[in-house]
Amino acid sequence: QVQLVQSGAEVKKPGASVKVSCKASGYTFIGYYIHWVRQAPGQGLEWMGWINPNSGGTNYAQNYQGRVTMTRDASIGTAYMEMSSLRSDDTAVYYCARGHTIKGADYWGQGTLVTVSS
Amino acid sequence: EIVLTQSPGTLSLSPGERATLSCRASQSVSSSYLAWYQQKPGQAPRLLIYGASSRATGIPDRFSGSGSGTDFTLTISRLEPEDFAVYYCQHFGSSFYTFGQGTNLEFK
Repeated sequence: QVQLVQSGAEVKKPGASVKVSCKASGYTFIGYYIHWVRQAPGQGLEWMGWINPNSGGTNYAQNYQGRVTMTRDASIGTAYMEMSSLRSDDTAVYYCARGHTIKGADYWGQGTLVTVSS
Repeated sequence: EIVLTQSPGTLSLSPGERATLSCRASQSVSSSYLAWYQQKPGQAPRLLIYGASSRATGIPDRFSGSGSGTDFTLTISRLEPEDFAVYYCQHFGSSFYTFGQGTNLEFK
């Protein structure tokens, strides 16, 4: 069965960087984009961007350009999202999701809570 | 940029009742790329409906989607206790995702 398993919770200081992983299983990793979506406490879903695991190509939402880098290691079926210059308002749950061309985000990781606090 | 506006923000109903949730786009979108998600507290979103009206795998038939152009609807025919959650609509394309702000379906 399709699974996306994310790395554990992180606590970071303002100005630091964080790297979240998303390990895929149960399907051909290079066949589907991986999207990253974040959710601040009590707020809605905000799309951050995607990575094409086949080519490594990326597309970032405007709000995150220059501060987010999405990468992948296709040999181990894992995607990564790294965010730099963290601020307190980056405190959120970060989700990875498999992007289906017809269905949208059909499978989601369990989420990774990133807390930014001094 | 297309903006999705969901209404109402909060919907208070009882089990057994019918729920009607609205999603309005700021400009016409293809219904092929309109989806609905359910999110329960502490859980990741779950895909319910894609293509505006097709149920995802394992979704009960009490959930249905409809609409076209700028107006889309998610209907839950008879609410079960496990249906009380937040619901998001989404429009997507080859390079982007856009989510509505969500409707909180709560117990009355």
